[in-house]
Amino acid sequence: DSGVTQTPKHLITATGQRVTLRCSPRSGDLSVYWYQQSLDQGLQFLIQYYNGEERAKGNILERFSAQQFPDLHSELNLSSLELGDSALYFCASSGQGDNSPLHFGNGTRLTVT
Amino acid sequence: AQKVTQAQTEISVVEKEDVTLDCVYETRDTTYYLFWYKQPPSGELVFLIRRNSFDEQNEISGRYSWNFQKSTSSFNFTITASQVVDSAVYFCALSEVGLGAQKLVFGQGTRLTINP
Repeated sequence: DSGVTQTPKHLITATGQRVTLRCSPRSGDLSVYWYQQSLDQGLQFLIQYYNGEERAKGNILERFSAQQFPDLHSELNLSSLELGDSALYFCASSGQGDNSPLHFGNGTRLTVT
Repeated sequence: AQKVTQAQTEISVVEKEDVTLDCVYETRDTTYYLFWYKQPPSGELVFLIRRNSFDEQNEISGRYSWNFQKSTSSFNFTITASQVVDSAVYFCALSEVGLGAQKLVFGQGTRLTINP
């Protein structure tokens, strides 16, 4: 168990809808990361937050947004969903310092129909 | 741009065989980190090892060993005496370092099947 908790485990929704994925980092970790794993794109970095502030951005679509709250949990909001957004979304957390490894949650599997 | 290549898409071996998973990376950074992650059939990503670019010592952890060669930009992973439980998809990843940001660039993964 990595200590990173993601909810829900599975999500099925229709095109055009909006969903929110939730992540609780490991105790003491200030950084939260979101990754998308799809069959065609593989594992891709979306965004990183550190102690409530956005720290780095990757290939995140404008329809997607994230935030980290004062209690350090994070939410990834996906809107105007398309079939191609179907993927496994991972959250990870790490401690302070550039050399801290990322510990991933079990992921949320999103299916857009 | 950073890139990680895992040329082996799938590998299948019989239990107790040794198997090596290849990883080649590209980066212009002088300081970087390399990682291996395991994704078993249950889907989670499990951290295996992290290596920084200044440490070229090979590492062994039980049946797992890693060979980092900066000269060839490779970070290969060997499983000795493989077991069925080693069946998983293995990802190699590269991280640029700086300003507290850590973006992992993953390879496409190698699906390893260990047959009894």
